[in-house]
Amino acid sequence: AQSVTQLDSQVPVFEEAPVELRCNYSSSVSVYLFWYVQYPNQGLQLLLKYLSGSTLVKSINGFEAEFNKSQTSFHLRKPSVHISDTAEYFCAVSEGDSSYKLIFGSGTRLLVRP
Amino acid sequence: EAQVTQNPRYLITVTGKKLTVTCSQNMNHEYMSWYRQDPGLGLRQIYYSMNVEVTDKGDVPEGYKVSRKEKRNFPLILESPSPNQTSLYFCASSRTGEAKNIQYFGAGTRLSVL
Repeated sequence: AQSVTQLDSQVPVFEEAPVELRCNYSSSVSVYLFWYVQYPNQGLQLLLKYLSGSTLVKSINGFEAEFNKSQTSFHLRKPSVHISDTAEYFCAVSEGDSSYKLIFGSGTRLLVRP
Repeated sequence: EAQVTQNPRYLITVTGKKLTVTCSQNMNHEYMSWYRQDPGLGLRQIYYSMNVEVTDKGDVPEGYKVSRKEKRNFPLILESPSPNQTSLYFCASSRTGEAKNIQYFGAGTRLSVL
């Protein structure tokens, strides 16, 4: 069955330090992969996506994620975080052309400290 | 501005009192969906709709109803709310076809059932 695992429920980090938020998925078919961000008291916003092509995808605010098919992972990274990056991050998967449904991980709360 | 609008944003009610949470999108999207978000569980799909008059169950449909009489609206109905339906609810929409699977989310409705 399709599932998404985000092992870290919370990741505390100091400002300007690098961060990696882990995401692993299980699926027997080709997938589309997403990272959504939820700032406090707001809805979900798409941060970045992998649909096809280059396995390294980047957002406009410095985040990047790499699709690794052999390890079934889509980890999110940022080389230097800001206080404003404090939010909850959700990894999500859909099974390509066969489904519009998103399967979400349980979320990782990124807490950036000064 | 392209958006998904949910109302109300906050709602406190009592067990058994019927309620409706509205969702409207202005992007002419065919696909609409409802999710609930609970701590440690991420988002789980309640119901979805592929187009007008076409709806289907998601992963956690018990206790909920939906309708899709117009393309832009997808209300979520709780006929007899119970405390275990206390949650944060999100409506989402997306195109089908080339840009499918990129879902746009509303700001959320926080429901408390006493």
